[in-house]
Amino acid sequence: EVQLVQSGAEVKKPGQSLKISCQGSGYSFTSYWIGWVRQMPGKGLEWMGIIYPGDSDTRYSPSFQGQVTMSVDKSISTAYLQWSSLKASDTAMYYCARHGTYSNSPTNWFDPWGQGTLVTVSS
Amino acid sequence: DIQMTQSPSSLSASVGDRVTITCRASQGISNSLAWYQQKPGKAPNLLLYAASRLKSGVPSRFSGSGSGTDYTLTISSLQPEDFATYYCQQYYSTPHTFGQGTKLEIK
Repeated sequence: EVQLVQSGAEVKKPGQSLKISCQGSGYSFTSYWIGWVRQMPGKGLEWMGIIYPGDSDTRYSPSFQGQVTMSVDKSISTAYLQWSSLKASDTAMYYCARHGTYSNSPTNWFDPWGQGTLVTVSS
Repeated sequence: DIQMTQSPSSLSASVGDRVTITCRASQGISNSLAWYQQKPGKAPNLLLYAASRLKSGVPSRFSGSGSGTDYTLTISSLQPEDFATYYCQQYYSTPHTFGQGTKLEIK
């Protein structure tokens, strides 16, 4: 079974750093793009970017470029999303999701999705 | 960026109704469109991709159509478990933008 398991909820203060994770299993981790999606409280889905674990090719949304960093550790089939200095406006649910088909092309839908990681930033 | 405009933003319907949700792209996306269903407190789930291809295991009452810039999701006969929020997403070019969502509520 293809599965993405995300790290647990985090509560942080403004200015702190954070790295959340998404571990894939049941498939060839290096052959499928993984993306990150933000959902702020009561709001819709926002595409943040995607990373190809095979060569770490990364495409960021202009809205998130420079605000977050995506990375992978192929040895443990895990993708990461990190912040160097959190803001209160980063409070949201963050989902990772895998591209639906095997391809090194970034043109693809998301399936499956992880369960989400809730990040709360508050002083 | 390609903008995705969904309509309506909310919809009240009854079990058994036929409902249609529309998604319009700001430029042509060559059927590179997916539809997702999200229930409260849960991650989104893929329903359709390539505008009209049903994901395996998704009930056949869900269907998609469209071309160019205009796409639709149709639920032929609403079931109680279909009341949720629906999102379209274009994956024609990055950033792969989502529509703002359509909340389907019980009338």
